[in-house]
Amino acid sequence: EDQVTQSPEALRLQEGESSSLNCSYTVSGLRGLFWYRQDPGKGPEFLFTLYSAGEEKEKERLKATLTKKESFLHITAPKPEDSATYLCAVQGNTPLVFGKGTRLSVIA
Amino acid sequence: DAGVTQSPTHLIKTRGQHVTLRCSPISGHKSVSWYQQVLGQGPQFIFQYYEKEERGRGNFPDRFSARQFPNYSSELNVNALLLGDSALYLCASSSEGQGLAYYGYTFGSGTRLTVV
Repeated sequence: EDQVTQSPEALRLQEGESSSLNCSYTVSGLRGLFWYRQDPGKGPEFLFTLYSAGEEKEKERLKATLTKKESFLHITAPKPEDSATYLCAVQGNTPLVFGKGTRLSVIA
Repeated sequence: DAGVTQSPTHLIKTRGQHVTLRCSPISGHKSVSWYQQVLGQGPQFIFQYYEKEERGRGNFPDRFSARQFPNYSSELNVNALLLGDSALYLCASSSEGQGLAYYGYTFGSGTRLTVV
């Protein structure tokens, strides 16, 4: 059974304080690992897809990396507008399996 | 371009009632998936449809059903509502069926269902 575990559950950062979010996964035949951002009461917003170990993707202050067992979402010098829940999901032989998310708060 | 649109945005129903949720995918997208997101949890897969055929079903009871229309829009139906069905119901569309969705699945803003 495909599984995704995200840590920490919640993270509070000062503006400018860089950190990383973790996504550990087990999946039969990884077809893709996805990162989404979700604001309260809204649907998830697509950030990145990673396909193979060693791959990295960047977008503004965010950088996603992938190993055979984990993915990290690095946030560099975060701003208050980066506050949201970040979801990790894997696609194997079934549609997306999500983790519970990391709730990020960035304080000015 | 319009994104994925869902209706209604909010809904309050009584236990035992039936509900129909609607989704219009991005123009050109032929695959629609439904997810249930309970507060504090990640979305959980319910159904996937591609070209009007069911391509996958999650671990949900038979009270949940769905269909996809010729214009690729979709409906999710839930019968005999329970308090535990209260959740955000998300629809996602992609241009691919069972293959890899390179640009990810695009989600709508969801329908917030409250069962009282």
